[in-house]
Amino acid sequence: DGGITQSPKYLFRKEGQNVTLSCEQNLNHDAMYWYRQDPGQGLRLIYYSQIVNDFQKGDIAEGYSVSREKKESFPLTVTSAQKNPTAFYLCASSIMFGTSGRFHEQYFGPGTRLTVT
Amino acid sequence: AQKVTQAQTEISVVEKEDVTLDCVYETRDTTYYLFWYKQPPSGELVFLIRRNSFDEQNEISGRYSWNFQKSTSSFNFTITASQVVDSAVYFCALRDRLDYGGSQGNLIFGKGTKLSVKP
Repeated sequence: DGGITQSPKYLFRKEGQNVTLSCEQNLNHDAMYWYRQDPGQGLRLIYYSQIVNDFQKGDIAEGYSVSREKKESFPLTVTSAQKNPTAFYLCASSIMFGTSGRFHEQYFGPGTRLTVT
Repeated sequence: AQKVTQAQTEISVVEKEDVTLDCVYETRDTTYYLFWYKQPPSGELVFLIRRNSFDEQNEISGRYSWNFQKSTSSFNFTITASQVVDSAVYFCALRDRLDYGGSQGNLIFGKGTKLSVKP
């Protein structure tokens, strides 16, 4: 089945440690995104990538890093510089309209709930 | 600046009641897209609908219907004869053109409305 997978579903880390969240898609989508969701809040964009080997900062990129070495993979590293890393992290992907540079709706993975203590 | 407002934080209804979730948006662009997503307790966001700014026809899909009113910058979502399985957080989102740069046409989400449908 085509879709987006995120692993693990729950992740626990000690403060001061870097942690990498996995996101893989087999939908052949061009663009991939990372969002952060806090309780009672909407989604805030961390990073996005529209093509391989290129990515852009979103609204809250500080303390995070990403890579896009393959079209189907977009891992997110939460570094020790991120002051409040405990949150629910959602990965999404979308396909481009032909060669327009515009994108269709985003499809989301199941999310990873990160707890840092 | 672009903005999406979902003024209703939480709504509680009894099964079989109709319920409308409000969404008001702000954009300077004349070409934009509006979306609704459902987030059940499992956490994954499920895409429900995309509507472009040139199509003001209302849309119906089973018990779901959407009312797009450009004059009031609203894109409201109605669930008819609600069911317990409709309990979720619903997000409205906006995307405008790439031309403004910065956001590169990314989605701007409202804060969501939590719908609880009781049996």
